[in-house]
Amino acid sequence: QVQLQESGPGLVKPSGTLSLTCAVSGGSISSSNWWSWVRQPPGKGLEWIGEVYQSGSTNYNPSLKSRVSISADKSKNQFSLRLSSVTAADTAVYYCARVWGQQLVPWGQGTLVTVSS
Amino acid sequence: FILTQPHSVSESPGKTVTISCTRSSGSVASNYVQWYQQRPGSSPTTVIYEDNRRPSGVPDRFSGSIDSSSNSASLTISGLKTEDEADYYCQSYDSSFWVFGGGTKLTVV
Repeated sequence: QVQLQESGPGLVKPSGTLSLTCAVSGGSISSSNWWSWVRQPPGKGLEWIGEVYQSGSTNYNPSLKSRVSISADKSKNQFSLRLSSVTAADTAVYYCARVWGQQLVPWGQGTLVTVSS
Repeated sequence: FILTQPHSVSESPGKTVTISCTRSSGSVASNYVQWYQQRPGSSPTTVIYEDNRRPSGVPDRFSGSIDSSSNSASLTISGLKTEDEADYYCQSYDSSFWVFGGGTKLTVV
């Protein structure tokens, strides 16, 4: 079964760039699926960030579009998130997930990224 | 569009609770609604997908429905157990954009 694992720095300085990777195991990122990023600020709800297809096609949340880039690396069977010009408001647990129909399943375990100097 | 959920609900063990999810614009029937359960410190997991379908392993105490007249979806949990205490999020999709409801904290006391 497909499993996802996020990785990346847990601390990013304000105005810097947040970079995370999601490793896919038990399946291929080249399959006919989209792959998505979702975040959750501490104590708050879920916010969809964006998604990528194996071809490189992307869709982004309009509220983040100017700062977000999501890419897929078929050779490493992983996809990545970059969020630029971060502020404290970007502090959150970041999840990666596979798009399956119109649901997100499975999800990674999530990784906390704190924006602080 | 946005999806609006009650911030919290509370009910006793053994009872039935219903959590609503109202779509602000566009028809709730135009795209499937999913429901996710999130326990503290864990990732969300699907309890209902495609409006009313249950993934394997989810007990039949969980059911979903949509109501076009109120433009809303509902998650109903019957025979409440203390283990059902969690946050629940509805989610839908439209024009390459995913939307989550704000989440409902279910307390079983």
